[in-house]
Amino acid sequence: LAKTTQPISMDSYEGQEVNITCSHNNIATNDYITWYQQFPSQGPRFIIQGYKTKVTNEVASLFIPADRKSSTLSLPRVSLSDTAVYYCLVVSGANNLFFGTGTRLTVIP
Amino acid sequence: DGGITQSPKYLFRKEGQNVTLSCEQNLNHDAMYWYRQDPGQGLRLIYYSQIVNDFQKGDIAEGYSVSREKKESFPLTVTSAQKNPTAFYLCASSIYAGKVNTEAFFGQGTRLTVV
Repeated sequence: LAKTTQPISMDSYEGQEVNITCSHNNIATNDYITWYQQFPSQGPRFIIQGYKTKVTNEVASLFIPADRKSSTLSLPRVSLSDTAVYYCLVVSGANNLFFGTGTRLTVIP
Repeated sequence: DGGITQSPKYLFRKEGQNVTLSCEQNLNHDAMYWYRQDPGQGLRLIYYSQIVNDFQKGDIAEGYSVSREKKESFPLTVTSAQKNPTAFYLCASSIYAGKVNTEAFFGQGTRLTVV
């Protein structure tokens, strides 16, 4: 089971691009990298998932280098509503949904 | 419309009593999960199930029990053996694609308070 390490917290001003990096040195060949967002008193919400290189959707981009030992979630032009906890997961089979403590992002006006 | 439903949203329990939290999904997902979250902390896995009539312990299964008699239902019982049950409980489900876990959908959670 690949362990992930990410910063405990980050602050950013509104309108800036935010990059949250996650380290997963023991990632296995069949593992995917997945990010979730959680607001207070709500369940986490899926943001993006990728295997290698770059994945982009309407919410975020995910950058994964060739060695796949880390990944970076990029949130373009954050707003106050992006204040949340962001979790990085390395997943393979159905039993592999282990969440860590996540990164608490605070967007400042 | 499809989704995952947890009930009740708030639950109060007296010390020494067992209590069962409900989790139902109509997404036809194979896998279901229960998590516990304490204030300011991340999610910790209690139990998970990949298929009907089968479930596995997560990191903190002691004091909890589950059943998976139907695909759409995965109730969690917090027993009197759980020493500190006050927490926010989250249920989730996902399609098990066999090779990779796809997106997990979470319920709105049940906040359990022991009084």
